[in-house]
Amino acid sequence: AQSVAQPEDQVNVAEGNPLTVKCTYSVSGNPYLFWYVQYPNRGLQFLLKYITGDNLVKGSYGFEAEFNKSQTSFHLKKPSALVSDSALYFCAVRAGGSYIPTFGRGTSLIVHP
Amino acid sequence: SAVISQKPSRDICQRGTSLTIQCQVDSQVTMMFWYRQQPGQSLTLIATANQGSEATYESGFVIDKFPISRPNLTFSTLTVSNMSPEDSSIYLCSVGTGENSPLHFGNGTRLTVT
Repeated sequence: AQSVAQPEDQVNVAEGNPLTVKCTYSVSGNPYLFWYVQYPNRGLQFLLKYITGDNLVKGSYGFEAEFNKSQTSFHLKKPSALVSDSALYFCAVRAGGSYIPTFGRGTSLIVHP
Repeated sequence: SAVISQKPSRDICQRGTSLTIQCQVDSQVTMMFWYRQQPGQSLTLIATANQGSEATYESGFVIDKFPISRPNLTFSTLTVSNMSPEDSSIYLCSVGTGENSPLHFGNGTRLTVT
């Protein structure tokens, strides 16, 4: 079985400040981890992934995420938030050999001007 | 990455009617999925659309309620049958292009049942 926890329903941050959106996971075997962003009235857009290799993964729009195996976490980060980053963010995990991920419940990021 | 066109983008339907949602991909893909996203909730997988055979449904979803077609590797439809207000949701088509690749999503169909 695989599962994802996004402990925060909402994250508020001021523009220009660093942001973190938290994600922890549970999966059998090596995890395939993903972050997606959903803007209003749109589908999910892929941001970044961790499959193997460097624990720090860089993705679209200046976002990055750090894979921490001991803490089973994959937190999404950005050094300087923009108002346009305000959206719904989903973390997802799947096991190797499976095409079907399990999604977290989503975290609403609100960046204040 | 695959480009996915999903139609309609939104609809308002009456209770008891059915709506068919179309998903067209710009390239051949092996895996196609249909998800439901209820207000304020995460994505729930309805089924995997299998080319040339019956779809594989997840627990809680049945073919009579959500019939799915997949006549080829670029196209699929999801029908929401005998709708009730509880079916009001966003329905998302998604495709997988490889084991190490993320899923790609259409823009979704926002369904309201009155």
